[in-house]
Amino acid sequence: GAVVSQHPSWVICKSGTSVKIECRSLDFQATTMFWYRQFPKQSLMLMATSNEGSKATYEQGVEKDKFLINHASLTLSTLTVTSAHPEDSSFYICSALTGRAGELFFGEGSRLTVL
Amino acid sequence: AQSVTQLDSQVPVFEEAPVELRCNYSSSVSVYLFWYVQYPNQGLQLLLKYLSGSTLVESINGFEAEFNKSQTSFHLRKPSVHISDTAEYFCAVRGGATNKLIFGTGTLLAVQP
Repeated sequence: GAVVSQHPSWVICKSGTSVKIECRSLDFQATTMFWYRQFPKQSLMLMATSNEGSKATYEQGVEKDKFLINHASLTLSTLTVTSAHPEDSSFYICSALTGRAGELFFGEGSRLTVL
Repeated sequence: AQSVTQLDSQVPVFEEAPVELRCNYSSSVSVYLFWYVQYPNQGLQLLLKYLSGSTLVESINGFEAEFNKSQTSFHLRKPSVHISDTAEYFCAVRGGATNKLIFGTGTLLAVQP
């Protein structure tokens, strides 16, 4: 099946720094990717839709200046958490939309801990 | 807009017993329905999906779900669970032109020996 890879799988950073998370579709091209965040023991909340070559579409309540999304190629989308604070600590998961019947495949997730 | 409701946050069950995890959705358009499983500290794995055709769909590890349009439900069932089935199960719906996947709050299936 299709593979989506996220990097890093976990990261610890100091408050005030910025962290970049990459989401790659390894064996298919994805014009659309989605970014989710998941708090402990909670569901996945859609943050934004990332479209190749255009600006991301953010869900209501998600700060676009805080969570910068770039989808510069058909196989890579990046999420940058700017000026991270402890409340940004979470599990971030991306998914990529394939052309085959519009199937979605998920990355393994990236756990961010902000100290 | 679509939404998903999973009424049970946790379902404890003994090994080899049957189980049903409930999922109801709301949507004004035709939808695709999914069940995902998440093991501790891991990403999501697709368990099964309904896109069209037969309303009863099955997974390779014995789970099945039935799409019921009149009741707007997509309950997940397994006739006999194993310890290894212990995980968080998420129901999700996708519909309309946006391809957004909206998740329910999840149900923890806790299988006890």
